[in-house]
Amino acid sequence: DGGITQSPKYLFRKEGQNVTLSCEQNLNHDAMYWYRQDPGQGLRLIYYSQIVNDFQKGDIAEGYSVSREKKESFPLTVTSAQKNPTAFYLCASRYAAGVNTEAFFGQGTRLTVV
Amino acid sequence: AQKITQTQPGMFVQEKEAVTLDCTYDTSDQSYGLFWYKQPSSGEMIFLIYQGSYDEQNATEGRYSLNFQKARKSANLVISASQLGDSAMYFCAMGASGTYKYIFGTGTRLKVLA
Repeated sequence: DGGITQSPKYLFRKEGQNVTLSCEQNLNHDAMYWYRQDPGQGLRLIYYSQIVNDFQKGDIAEGYSVSREKKESFPLTVTSAQKNPTAFYLCASRYAAGVNTEAFFGQGTRLTVV
Repeated sequence: AQKITQTQPGMFVQEKEAVTLDCTYDTSDQSYGLFWYKQPSSGEMIFLIYQGSYDEQNATEGRYSLNFQKARKSANLVISASQLGDSAMYFCAMGASGTYKYIFGTGTRLKVLA
């Protein structure tokens, strides 16, 4: 079955450490996205990518980095520069940039700084 | 710049009643799409309904309908005959032509009362 897989489901990080969240899709979608979800703040866009080896900053990119070396994969690294990384992270993909294409989501990764 | 605003942090509705969840948007693009998603407590994101900016009729999908008022830049979700399983977070989202950027509002938490 086609879909998006995020791993791990839960992740614990010590302060000062970098961690990488995995996102893989087999939907053959061009566009991929990372969102951060905090209570009361909805989904905020971190980074998005429309093609391999190209990505754009979203609204809250500081303290995060991404890569898009393969169409299927869009890992997110939460760096030590991110001051408050504890949140729920959602990865999504869309077939194209067209206005009528909905997003497909992974199950999310809950990151906790300990 | 694109923006989505959801002004209702929480809503209550009696079972079997209808409820309207508000969404207003801002964009300078002429061609854009508006989407609604449901997020149960499990965290998954479920696509509900889509409305294109050039669609003349309001979108409907089963018990969901979208009250699209272009001049007011609003795209409210109407859920008819509410069920207990409708209790969840609901997010409004927008995509525009010419960009892969895809943004969400802050969400509305709906609680259906028995």
